[in-house]
Amino acid sequence: DIQMTQSPSSLSASVGDSVTITCRASQGIEKYLAWYQHTPGKVPKLLIYAASTLQSVVPSRFRGSSSGTHFTLTISNLQPDDVGTYYCQKYDSAPHTFGQGTKLEIK
Amino acid sequence: EVQLVESGGGLVQPGKSLRLSCRASGFQFDNYAMHWVRQAPGKGLEWVSGIRWNSATIGYADTVQGRFTISRDNAKNFLYLQMNSLRPEDTALYYCAKGTRGLDSWGQGILVTVS
Repeated sequence: DIQMTQSPSSLSASVGDSVTITCRASQGIEKYLAWYQHTPGKVPKLLIYAASTLQSVVPSRFRGSSSGTHFTLTISNLQPDDVGTYYCQKYDSAPHTFGQGTKLEIK
Repeated sequence: EVQLVESGGGLVQPGKSLRLSCRASGFQFDNYAMHWVRQAPGKGLEWVSGIRWNSATIGYADTVQGRFTISRDNAKNFLYLQMNSLRPEDTALYYCAKGTRGLDSWGQGILVTVS
């Protein structure tokens, strides 16, 4: 099975900062990669699909990019509501594995 | 408005079975793949199983392969997860989710406790 390695496991940043989360697939998955935000007490929210396509109503501060098997989620101009755990997920074929998650805290 | 409502969870002894259901509304159910995702206490999200709109393609995580069975009834707008030979490590909040290009709608989740 293809493994998804996400890093860092946690990070802390201030309002207005930019942060980058990375996800690496152990084999090629083309651009079948999604990013989610999961805030405690809420259901996971799809942010980006197809590696770089923004889901509707998601602010343009969120940007996804890819290069081969390396994927990144960049959040610009951090806002207090951005706190939570971020996950990548492959969906090219089963199993649709999630990354381990990145917990984002706002200082 | 898309709504996904899970039911059927609860406390069950190891080795026993449980069947989760997910009632879907607000969208054309038979146009979309559907999935089950779980989150164990203090852990991250784990994809459990998925099924295409016509049930032609089904997949499972290695951790549940051979024990869990996903199915759907497009006439009734229901998704199911039959869970057999349950283990303590299956304890989790189970989400029903919709989507083919990422999971764009999620239910509130249903708790399954194996103890």
